[in-house]
Amino acid sequence: AQSVTQLGSHVSVSEGALVLLRCNYSSSVPPYLFWYVQYPNQGLQLLLKYTSAATLVKGINGFEAEFKKSETSFHLTKPSAHMSDAAEYFCAVRMNYGGSQGNLIFGKGTKLSVKP
Amino acid sequence: KAGVTQTPRYLIKTRGQQVTLSCSPISGHRSVSWYQQTPGQGLQFLFEYFSETQRNKGNFPGRFSGRQFSNSRSEMNVSTLELGDSALYLCASSYRTSGLSIETQYFGPGTRLLVL
Repeated sequence: AQSVTQLGSHVSVSEGALVLLRCNYSSSVPPYLFWYVQYPNQGLQLLLKYTSAATLVKGINGFEAEFKKSETSFHLTKPSAHMSDAAEYFCAVRMNYGGSQGNLIFGKGTKLSVKP
Repeated sequence: KAGVTQTPRYLIKTRGQQVTLSCSPISGHRSVSWYQQTPGQGLQFLFEYFSETQRNKGNFPGRFSGRQFSNSRSEMNVSTLELGDSALYLCASSYRTSGLSIETQYFGPGTRLLVL
Protein backbone atom coordinates (compact mmCIF):
# COMPACT_ATOMS: atom_id res chain seq x y z
CA ALA A 1 0.00 0.00 0.00
CA GLN A 2 1.13 3.50 -0.72
CA SER A 3 2.07 5.73 2.16
CA VAL A 4 3.57 9.12 2.84
CA THR A 5 5.90 9.98 5.69
CA GLN A 6 6.57 13.53 6.75
CA LEU A 7 9.55 13.77 9.05
CA GLY A 8 8.96 16.20 11.86
CA SER A 9 5.49 17.12 13.01
CA HIS A 10 6.77 20.56 14.01
CA VAL A 11 9.47 22.64 12.38
CA SER A 12 10.55 26.05 13.62
CA VAL A 13 12.68 28.48 11.65
CA SER A 14 13.66 32.09 11.97
CA GLU A 15 12.34 34.66 9.56
CA GLY A 16 14.67 34.77 6.56
CA ALA A 17 16.04 31.28 7.15
CA LEU A 18 15.77 28.32 4.84
CA VAL A 19 12.61 26.22 5.10
CA LEU A 20 12.98 22.47 4.54
CA LEU A 21 10.01 20.17 5.03
CA ARG A 22 10.64 16.51 4.38
CA CYS A 23 8.41 14.04 2.60
CA ASN A 24 9.09 10.44 1.64
CA TYR A 25 6.71 8.15 -0.15
CA SER A 26 6.53 4.42 -0.53
CA SER A 27 5.57 3.12 -3.92
CA SER A 28 7.10 0.82 -6.47
CA VAL A 29 6.01 3.20 -9.20
CA PRO A 30 6.54 6.96 -8.95
CA PRO A 31 3.17 8.40 -8.03
CA TYR A 32 1.83 11.85 -8.53
CA LEU A 33 3.02 14.07 -5.67
CA PHE A 34 1.55 17.20 -4.15
CA TRP A 35 2.23 19.67 -1.41
CA TYR A 36 -0.71 21.46 0.19
CA VAL A 37 -0.75 24.18 2.83
CA GLN A 38 -3.45 24.71 5.42
CA TYR A 39 -3.86 27.95 7.32
CA PRO A 40 -5.84 27.94 10.57
CA ASN A 41 -9.56 27.33 10.07
CA GLN A 42 -9.16 27.01 6.33
CA GLY A 43 -9.13 24.26 3.74
CA LEU A 44 -6.12 23.02 1.83
CA GLN A 45 -4.42 25.14 -0.79
CA LEU A 46 -2.22 23.57 -3.45
CA LEU A 47 1.39 24.73 -3.32
CA LEU A 48 2.80 22.61 -6.11
CA LYS A 49 2.58 19.25 -7.81
CA TYR A 50 4.98 16.84 -9.47
CA THR A 51 4.01 16.17 -13.07
CA SER A 52 7.06 14.13 -14.15
CA ALA A 53 8.01 16.84 -16.62
CA ALA A 54 10.77 18.15 -14.38
CA THR A 55 12.23 16.93 -11.11
CA LEU A 56 12.43 20.44 -9.66
CA VAL A 57 8.95 21.87 -9.29
CA LYS A 58 8.25 25.49 -8.55
CA GLY A 59 5.11 26.46 -6.73
CA ILE A 60 3.39 29.46 -5.29
CA ASN A 61 4.74 31.78 -2.58
CA GLY A 62 8.36 30.97 -3.44
CA PHE A 63 8.16 27.28 -2.55
CA GLU A 64 9.72 24.54 -4.61
CA ALA A 65 10.19 20.80 -4.29
CA GLU A 66 12.57 18.32 -5.82
CA PHE A 67 11.53 14.84 -6.79
CA LYS A 68 14.26 12.27 -6.13
CA LYS A 69 13.29 8.84 -7.32
CA SER A 70 16.35 7.12 -5.83
CA GLU A 71 15.47 8.49 -2.41
CA THR A 72 11.68 8.29 -2.88
CA SER A 73 11.55 11.84 -1.59
CA PHE A 74 9.75 15.04 -2.46
CA HIS A 75 11.06 17.60 0.04
CA LEU A 76 9.62 21.12 0.11
CA THR A 77 11.94 24.10 0.38
CA LYS A 78 11.85 27.87 0.46
CA PRO A 79 15.06 29.92 0.55
CA SER A 80 13.82 32.57 2.95
CA ALA A 81 10.96 32.09 5.41
CA HIS A 82 8.37 34.77 5.93
CA MET A 83 6.09 35.17 8.91
CA SER A 84 3.11 34.50 6.64
CA ASP A 85 4.48 31.01 5.89
CA ALA A 86 3.46 29.80 9.34
CA ALA A 87 0.91 27.08 8.63
CA GLU A 88 0.57 23.33 8.39
CA TYR A 89 1.97 21.63 5.31
CA PHE A 90 0.81 18.33 3.89
CA CYS A 91 2.54 16.10 1.40
CA ALA A 92 0.24 13.83 -0.59
CA VAL A 93 0.51 11.12 -3.21
CA ARG A 94 -1.97 9.99 -5.78
CA MET A 95 -1.63 6.84 -7.80
CA ASN A 96 -2.31 6.48 -11.47
CA TYR A 97 -4.07 3.21 -12.17
CA GLY A 98 -3.67 3.06 -15.90
CA GLY A 99 -5.40 6.36 -16.47
CA SER A 100 -7.79 6.18 -13.55
CA GLN A 101 -6.46 8.29 -10.74
CA GLY A 102 -6.84 7.17 -7.16
CA ASN A 103 -7.56 9.23 -4.11
CA LEU A 104 -5.04 11.40 -2.32
CA ILE A 105 -3.07 9.80 0.49
CA PHE A 106 -1.78 12.39 2.89
CA GLY A 107 1.12 12.53 5.27
CA LYS A 108 0.46 13.50 8.89
CA GLY A 109 1.45 17.09 8.22
CA THR A 110 4.20 19.39 9.45
CA LYS A 111 3.42 22.55 11.37
CA LEU A 112 5.80 25.30 10.43
CA SER A 113 6.47 28.09 12.92
CA VAL A 114 8.38 31.19 11.90
CA LYS A 115 10.14 33.20 14.61
CA PRO A 116 10.74 36.91 14.17
CA LYS B 1 -14.17 31.41 -11.03
CA ALA B 2 -15.69 30.65 -7.65
CA GLY B 3 -13.97 28.05 -5.52
CA VAL B 4 -15.35 25.01 -3.80
CA THR B 5 -18.04 25.93 -1.32
CA GLN B 6 -19.17 23.91 1.65
CA THR B 7 -22.16 24.39 3.87
CA PRO B 8 -22.60 24.70 6.71
CA ARG B 9 -19.20 25.81 7.96
CA TYR B 10 -19.86 24.78 11.53
CA LEU B 11 -22.23 22.26 13.03
CA ILE B 12 -22.94 20.93 16.49
CA LYS B 13 -24.84 17.68 16.90
CA THR B 14 -25.41 15.15 19.65
CA ARG B 15 -24.64 11.45 19.64
CA GLY B 16 -27.13 9.37 17.72
CA GLN B 17 -28.25 12.16 15.44
CA GLN B 18 -27.58 12.26 11.74
CA VAL B 19 -26.04 15.06 9.69
CA THR B 20 -25.87 16.09 6.05
CA LEU B 21 -23.06 18.20 4.66
CA SER B 22 -23.11 19.89 1.28
CA CYS B 23 -20.41 20.65 -1.26
CA SER B 24 -20.59 22.68 -4.46
CA PRO B 25 -17.61 22.06 -6.74
CA ILE B 26 -15.85 24.54 -8.96
CA SER B 27 -17.90 25.20 -12.07
CA GLY B 28 -17.09 22.59 -14.71
CA HIS B 29 -15.58 20.13 -12.26
CA ARG B 30 -17.30 16.78 -12.31
CA SER B 31 -15.50 14.90 -9.57
CA VAL B 32 -16.04 15.48 -5.87
CA SER B 33 -14.07 13.80 -3.11
CA TRP B 34 -14.61 13.92 0.62
CA TYR B 35 -11.97 13.75 3.34
CA GLN B 36 -12.13 13.64 7.11
CA GLN B 37 -9.49 15.50 9.09
CA THR B 38 -8.91 14.80 12.77
CA PRO B 39 -5.93 15.54 15.03
CA GLY B 40 -5.36 11.86 15.67
CA GLN B 41 -5.86 10.30 12.25
CA GLY B 42 -4.98 13.22 10.04
CA LEU B 43 -6.54 13.48 6.61
CA GLN B 44 -8.37 10.38 5.48
CA PHE B 45 -10.22 9.74 2.25
CA LEU B 46 -13.93 9.03 2.55
CA PHE B 47 -15.24 8.67 -0.99
CA GLU B 48 -15.23 10.07 -4.49
CA TYR B 49 -18.15 10.75 -6.79
CA PHE B 50 -18.11 11.29 -10.50
CA SER B 51 -21.13 11.62 -12.74
CA GLU B 52 -23.44 10.77 -9.85
CA THR B 53 -21.64 7.49 -9.21
CA GLN B 54 -19.39 6.55 -6.34
CA ARG B 55 -16.02 5.71 -7.89
CA ASN B 56 -13.88 5.07 -4.88
CA LYS B 57 -14.44 4.55 -1.17
CA GLY B 58 -12.19 4.77 1.84
CA ASN B 59 -12.18 2.61 4.90
CA PHE B 60 -15.12 4.08 6.80
CA PRO B 61 -18.21 2.38 8.23
CA GLY B 62 -21.50 2.31 6.38
CA ARG B 63 -22.79 5.15 8.56
CA PHE B 64 -20.91 7.42 6.18
CA SER B 65 -22.58 7.81 2.84
CA GLY B 66 -22.77 10.30 0.06
CA ARG B 67 -24.31 11.15 -3.23
CA GLN B 68 -23.81 13.42 -6.17
CA PHE B 69 -26.43 15.28 -8.14
CA SER B 70 -26.63 15.93 -11.85
CA ASN B 71 -25.17 19.43 -11.35
CA SER B 72 -22.13 17.82 -9.65
CA ARG B 73 -23.06 19.11 -6.22
CA SER B 74 -22.47 16.51 -3.57
CA GLU B 75 -23.76 15.71 -0.13
CA MET B 76 -22.37 13.43 2.51
CA ASN B 77 -24.42 11.99 5.31
CA VAL B 78 -23.36 10.55 8.62
CA SER B 79 -25.99 8.62 10.54
CA THR B 80 -25.98 7.65 14.21
CA LEU B 81 -23.26 10.11 15.07
CA GLU B 82 -20.51 9.12 17.47
CA LEU B 83 -18.17 11.34 19.45
CA GLY B 84 -15.31 10.20 17.23
CA ASP B 85 -17.03 11.68 14.19
CA SER B 86 -16.08 15.15 15.39
CA ALA B 87 -13.80 16.40 12.66
CA LEU B 88 -13.24 18.82 9.85
CA TYR B 89 -14.85 17.43 6.71
CA LEU B 90 -13.22 18.64 3.54
CA CYS B 91 -14.60 18.46 0.06
CA ALA B 92 -12.39 18.63 -3.02
CA SER B 93 -13.29 18.94 -6.65
CA SER B 94 -11.42 18.16 -9.83
CA TYR B 95 -12.25 18.09 -13.51
CA ARG B 96 -11.47 14.38 -13.93
CA THR B 97 -10.68 13.26 -17.43
CA SER B 98 -9.97 9.78 -18.66
CA GLY B 99 -6.57 10.82 -19.89
CA LEU B 100 -3.21 10.70 -18.20
CA SER B 101 -3.02 14.33 -17.17
CA ILE B 102 -2.43 14.81 -13.48
CA GLU B 103 -5.54 16.32 -12.05
CA THR B 104 -5.41 18.66 -9.14
CA GLN B 105 -7.95 18.49 -6.36
CA TYR B 106 -9.11 21.88 -5.14
CA PHE B 107 -10.36 21.97 -1.58
CA GLY B 108 -13.17 23.85 0.07
CA PRO B 109 -12.88 25.48 3.51
CA GLY B 110 -14.47 22.50 5.22
CA THR B 111 -17.32 21.88 7.60
CA ARG B 112 -16.33 21.57 11.22
CA LEU B 113 -18.58 19.07 12.96
CA LEU B 114 -18.68 18.76 16.72
CA VAL B 115 -20.53 15.81 18.22
CA LEU B 116 -21.49 16.15 21.88
